[in-house]
Amino acid sequence: DVKVTQSSRYLVKRTGEKVFLECVQDMDHENMFWYRQDPGLGLRLIYFSYDVKMKEKGDIPEGYSVSREKKERFSLILESASTNQTSMYLCASERSYEQYFGPGTRLTVT
Amino acid sequence: AQTVTQSQPEMSVQEAETVTLSCTYDTSESDYYLFWYKQPPSRQMILVIRQEAYKQQNATENRFSVNFQKAAKSFSLKISDSQLGDAAMYFCAYRSAWANSKLTFGKGITLSVRP
Repeated sequence: DVKVTQSSRYLVKRTGEKVFLECVQDMDHENMFWYRQDPGLGLRLIYFSYDVKMKEKGDIPEGYSVSREKKERFSLILESASTNQTSMYLCASERSYEQYFGPGTRLTVT
Repeated sequence: AQTVTQSQPEMSVQEAETVTLSCTYDTSESDYYLFWYKQPPSRQMILVIRQEAYKQQNATENRFSVNFQKAAKSFSLKISDSQLGDAAMYFCAYRSAWANSKLTFGKGITLSVRP
């Protein structure tokens, strides 16, 4: 079974803090994705990566950056957290066009 | 750009009954994939069913089946013999067949199951 893990289920940070969200997959997948999920807006793609050190902007990259130094790990970075980044963050990896999701991190920025 | 529309935000079904969730999409591509994902309350998103656009036959997975109408760009999910565990948010999603493409999701529909 594919396993995608995220470093925290719940996270509370202060405005202006630098925040790291980690995602790890154990199936040697090439493609990995970061989404945010907000009520009424569905899932919106922030960034994705199709290889180590490769990254592509998604639909809402502003205020975020990513890092992929190893194939199994894809990190989402909020350089200076703001209250409008309070959301559920979902990571996914992909095999044969199908995406496998982690459990999500609910981030609250106060 | 591709878009996916789920026009019904909520639906309800009686346990053991059948329910159909609607989805339409817009694309100019001929080769693509369509998916239904399920997200139970406070639980992980999981894939329910997948349909390849080049296949005419509708996909089926146990109690879940789709009605794929390529010309109409419609992709509905039918859940038969609904169970309490089917209560969840369901997302329709589109993916181009091109390598390194992204998934485009609809806004989701919340399905409740009445005992």
